[in-house]
Amino acid sequence: AQKVTQAQTEISVVEKEDVTLDCVYETRDTTYYLFWYKQPPSGELVFLIRRNSFDEQNEISGRYSWNFQKSTSSFNFTITASQVVDSAVYFCALTSEANSKLTFGKGITLSVRP
Amino acid sequence: EAQVTQNPRYLITVTGKKLTVTCSQNMNHEYMSWYRQDPGLGLRQIYYSMNVEVTDKGDVPEGYKVSRKEKRNFPLILESPSPNQTSLYFCASMDRNSYNSPLHFGNGTRLTVT
Repeated sequence: AQKVTQAQTEISVVEKEDVTLDCVYETRDTTYYLFWYKQPPSGELVFLIRRNSFDEQNEISGRYSWNFQKSTSSFNFTITASQVVDSAVYFCALTSEANSKLTFGKGITLSVRP
Repeated sequence: EAQVTQNPRYLITVTGKKLTVTCSQNMNHEYMSWYRQDPGLGLRQIYYSMNVEVTDKGDVPEGYKVSRKEKRNFPLILESPSPNQTSLYFCASMDRNSYNSPLHFGNGTRLTVT
């Protein structure tokens, strides 16, 4: 069975603070794929990143960065210098070669106050 | 433009009245899936399809049916809707063979069953 745990349910920060959203996953498969999605108040799901299990390089995209650590089964997401527009629900998700199901965490609600 | 199109965006119905939510993608993806989103529960997979005429249950399939007669379409059918199926529904598709392909989501269907 596969599982995604987003232990933080709600986070509130003041604009310009850095914030890290945690994601811990469980899978028995050796080839798997991890995703982060953003859901702003308007409701659509916006793709942020896909990371494959065989690629442990960390990724930076502007103010966003991702830290993938297989040793701790974590795929954490950091927003640097947060902005009000970052306020949203963020989901981490997992699928694998052997298991066609795509499993989502319960999401983290991030509020960035001006 | 590559997209997943769901219809309708909003639907209010009564208990027991059969309904269909349509989903269509124009990216020639083999993989398609349905999710429901409920507060505190995140996104849960209802059904998925690896290819035409191939469908499998996700985590919460009870009360739903799907069909995949052609690659582009994957309708979700509620034969006898009940109030506990009031939710936000998302259709998605993905190219599982592509190294960096995201899961593409539709804009969602908000269903209310009274």
